[in-house]
Parts: sequence; structure tokens; C-alpha cells
Amino acid sequence: SQTIHQWPATLVQPVGSPLSLECTVEGTSNPNLYWYRQAAGRGLQLLFYSVGIGQISSEVPQNLSASRPQDRQFILSSKKLLLSDSGFYLCAWSVFGGRGEQYFGPGTRLTVT
Amino acid sequence: AQKITQTQPGMFVQEKEAVTLDCTYDTSDPSYGLFWYKQPSSGEMIFLIYQGSYDQQNATEGRYSLNFQKARKSANLVISASQLGDSAMYFCAMRDPSGAGSYQLTFGKGTKLSVIP
Repeated sequence: SQTIHQWPATLVQPVGSPLSLECTVEGTSNPNLYWYRQAAGRGLQLLFYSVGIGQISSEVPQNLSASRPQDRQFILSSKKLLLSDSGFYLCAWSVFGGRGEQYFGPGTRLTVT
Repeated sequence: AQKITQTQPGMFVQEKEAVTLDCTYDTSDPSYGLFWYKQPSSGEMIFLIYQGSYDQQNATEGRYSLNFQKARKSANLVISASQLGDSAMYFCAMRDPSGAGSYQLTFGKGTKLSVIP
């Protein structure tokens, strides 16, 4: 069966510090991968998605970047965090060419102080 | 542009009763997919049910069913025999049309369901 991992689960970082969140998927090959951000009490905002190694599409201009160095690894990064980067970050995967349902990881709660 | 509307910010239901969570959508694409997700307080998004635009029957998954009314562009989630563990945020989502085997989802703002013992 497929499993998606995200770490860390929680993170408190000062403004201006770098960020690296990692997501890995097990049990499937060539998945579509996604990064979302959810502000407190709000809906999901798609940040990035990827259909293959090295292929990244960005949905909104922002202080963040994403990379996919391996087929089942997706990394969200920032060189200098802003207060507005605080939120709940979710990684998800879907089957390439499937129905489109996405399966989510447990998420990372990021607080920028 | 695709749009998902959930008009109920919060709902209450008595334990063991059924509850309907509303979702309307807007799209010009004849082929689309609709999804419901549950987000408990832990934060993880849990996929519940899927309905394709060409599916002839309403989708069902255990206690979850989807009341799909294509002409009205609505895809309401029905939870039967509510349990305390059903208390959570519920999100309706629609698959965006895109090519090359990649789909994005447009999410509604969610409905917070509270089950009362």
C-alpha cells in the first residue's frame, strides 16, 4: 500500500531563517506531487505541483521554492522566511493519469516568529 | 474558471442522525470529477468519496454518499448515522482540467461539522 511521509511535524523558525520541508511517498512510482499551505481556519492553497523529477510548476508568486530530486521525494524550501509564511503545510500525491484524487501527508505546522 | 462553493460554515448534528453537507460547483468542462475530504483536528486531509461527471449513479462509500445533481451543479455529501468521530472540517473539491496526466484540485472553504452526543 502507498504511504506518504512528511517531516518535521512542527517547526518554529525565526524570521529570515531558511526552511526545508521534506515529503516522501512509498509504494507507488511516478506520482504527481503537490505542496499546499493552509492558513488557520482557511481552505487549501496550492503552492507547487510536479509531474516528474525536476519538473515543478508554481501556482502563486511567493517566498518559497520546491524541488523534486527523486521520483518520490518533494522538498519545499525558503532562503529567508517571512512572518506570512506561517501556516500548515501539506504534501499530497496522486496517480499519474488517474481520477485525480489526492492523498495527503500528516502535514507540518510552521510558525515563523 | 472553476469554482467550488460551500455555504455552510458550520453544522451541528445529533449522534446517530444523518446530515447533509452542501457543495455547488461551476465549470464549463463536460468532464470533471468531484471529491470530498475530511480534516479532523489533527490536520490530515482524508479522502472520502469521488463522483465522476459521467457516472450514472451516485457514489457511496460506507456511511458516506454523494447526492449528485448534475443539472443543478450540486454534489452534496450525506453522512448517515453520525458518530462523534465525524466531527471535523469537510472540504468539497473539483478536479481542474489539465493535460499530461496531471490534475489539480480546486477546494471549497469547508464546513465544520460538530456531532452532539
